Amino acid sequence: SAVISQKPSRDICQRGTSLTIQCQVDSQVTMMFWYRQQPGQSLTLIATANQGSEATYESGFVIDKFPISRPNLTFSTLTVSNMSPEDSSIYLCSVEVGGQGRHEQYFGPGTRLTVT
Amino acid sequence: GQNIDQPTEMTATEGAIVQINCTYQTSGFNGLFWYQQHAGEAPTFLSYNVLDGLEEKGRFSSFLSRSKGYSYLLLKELQMKDSASYLCAVVYNFNKFYFGSGTKLNVKP
Repeated sequence: SAVISQKPSRDICQRGTSLTIQCQVDSQVTMMFWYRQQPGQSLTLIATANQGSEATYESGFVIDKFPISRPNLTFSTLTVSNMSPEDSSIYLCSVEVGGQGRHEQYFGPGTRLTVT
Repeated sequence: GQNIDQPTEMTATEGAIVQINCTYQTSGFNGLFWYQQHAGEAPTFLSYNVLDGLEEKGRFSSFLSRSKGYSYLLLKELQMKDSASYLCAVVYNFNKFYFGSGTKLNVKP
């Protein structure tokens, strides 16, 4: 398994501002993922972040709105830019661990974002 | 995404057995996960299936049929603390994870 921390744990932000969420893992991992979970809904994958390459975004998510950094194998950031109330959600980072074809994924505690 | 379907909500009695089903699109399939998520918390890993059959882990078991695009999570000897959402997630093409909408399980005394 992996121990994952996120900062901040929650924030209340004003419309039009940006927030950067940090994700730190206690071991080196190749693949990190960013998800969004809106109230009462399941998780939606935003992007996959591999160290040394640009993030791969899912349909409906773009780099200008959700820029991601992955400077090393234990850290990543997700920025939510030019926020609107529709961006209010829980943002979770996760990592994939395990070898030999086991794609186990573990989640950080999440960042609860409220945009006013 | 990928047509991952689960029942929205289920109710069961403490001490009973409950089965939560999940169906998914089979093309590109590389594995299926079950997660438990309590309200306000992050999902926690429960099980992983990549081959057909039953994987048992304590009170929880997970079954997979790849040809049918079908899995279930079986919870035995239900406890009140098992009240949570259960998420079925499928990995496609080795690195794409997609989650079902989740099944909210209510355990009654």
